[in-house]
Amino acid sequence: DSGVTQTPKHLITATGQRVTLRCSPRSGDLSVYWYQQSLDQGLQFLIQYYNGEERAKGNILERFSAQQFPDLHSELNLSSLELGDSALYFCASSVRIAGGLDTQYFGPGTRLTVL
Amino acid sequence: AQTVTQSQPEMSVQEAETVTLSCTYDTSESDYYLFWYKQPPSRQMILVIRQEAYKQQNATENRFSVNFQKAAKSFSLKISDSQLGDAAMYFCAYKGNTDKLIFGTGTRLQVFP
Repeated sequence: DSGVTQTPKHLITATGQRVTLRCSPRSGDLSVYWYQQSLDQGLQFLIQYYNGEERAKGNILERFSAQQFPDLHSELNLSSLELGDSALYFCASSVRIAGGLDTQYFGPGTRLTVL
Repeated sequence: AQTVTQSQPEMSVQEAETVTLSCTYDTSESDYYLFWYKQPPSRQMILVIRQEAYKQQNATENRFSVNFQKAAKSFSLKISDSQLGDAAMYFCAYKGNTDKLIFGTGTRLQVFP
């Protein structure tokens, strides 16, 4: 158990819908990362938040957005869902030691299926 | 841009034997970190081992060790005394000046009794 929690574990929805994925980081971790794992794209970085503020953006679609709340939990919002958005979405957290060995610990993931 | 390449889509090993998974990367950065993550059928991403690029000594964690060749930009994972529970996808990952992890495509390891 990494200490990172994600809900829900599974999500099945229809095209055009909107969903919210939730992540709680490990105790003491200030940085949260979202990754997408799909068959065709592999594991890709989406976005990072650090202490409530957006820190870095990766290959995140405009239909997707995220935020980190004062209690440090994070939510990833996916809207106007398409079949291709079906994937495993991981949240990871770290302390974030600038320039140092900062290890990311992953949650169990949320499996999103868009029908 | 940094890239990570895992050229072995699948590997197999007999229980109690040793297997080496390959990983190469491309970067122009001088300071970076390398990781191996394991993804068993449960899909959980589990950290196996990590290496700081400035350290010449290869990292070791119990039965897992790496062969880090900085000049060759190679970071292979050696699993000794393989166990059935080692069967999983293994991902090599790079972290440079940005905080994000860049992953390879993974190697599926099968362990036979």
